[in-house]
Amino acid sequence: GESVGLHLPTLSVQEGDNSIINCAYSNSASDYFIWYKQESGKGPQFIIDIRSNMDKRQGQRVTVLLNKTVKHLSLQIAATQPGDSAVYFCAENGEGGSEKLVFGKGMKLTVNP
Amino acid sequence: ETGVTQSPTHLIKTRGQQVTLRCSSQSGHNTVSWYQQALGQGPQFIFQYYREEENGRGNFPPRFSGLQFPNYSSELNVNALELDDSALYLCASSRLWDRRNTEAFFGQGTRLTVV
Repeated sequence: GESVGLHLPTLSVQEGDNSIINCAYSNSASDYFIWYKQESGKGPQFIIDIRSNMDKRQGQRVTVLLNKTVKHLSLQIAATQPGDSAVYFCAENGEGGSEKLVFGKGMKLTVNP
Repeated sequence: ETGVTQSPTHLIKTRGQQVTLRCSSQSGHNTVSWYQQALGQGPQFIFQYYREEENGRGNFPPRFSGLQFPNYSSELNVNALELDDSALYLCASSRLWDRRNTEAFFGQGTRLTVV
């Protein structure tokens, strides 16, 4: 069945380093992807999204890369800060018109000062 | 902060009881989705409402039901609560346009504990 998963369950980085969080998806028909950040006790916070007609999209300190050939998604965070510490989820919105988001299990990012 | 608000923030219920959770969507959004998030897991899609009708459902039993109102706010109802229903329930607001969802913004969630 379709699934979205993350390669690494935990990632620890030093403040100021760049972080890369990877995600694999299995539904080749997926055409919309979102990265969320979830802090303890809070709902997921939208970070950045990308549609399948793009392979890169940049936001403030974040970049999402999409490789449809190998069905791989990554989130790059530049100059990681302690406030970036959270669990990160990638989510797939299936093919166009799909009503649901399929989430992976999440990856915990810890930023050490 | 998103414009999506959920109430209550925390709730404790007894097995077998019924519960109603509420969500107000962000201004300009016409679609509300509900998710269940167990501890340490990613959110699982329950269902989505668009124009006051169910627009897709995940793998949840019929005792999970919902409503959407003309102002796009929504309710999630769960009957005959089971211990495994204990979870964080999340509401996501989005705009369905040309059969595509735009970015979905989540509320803070309702933490439901069934004892």
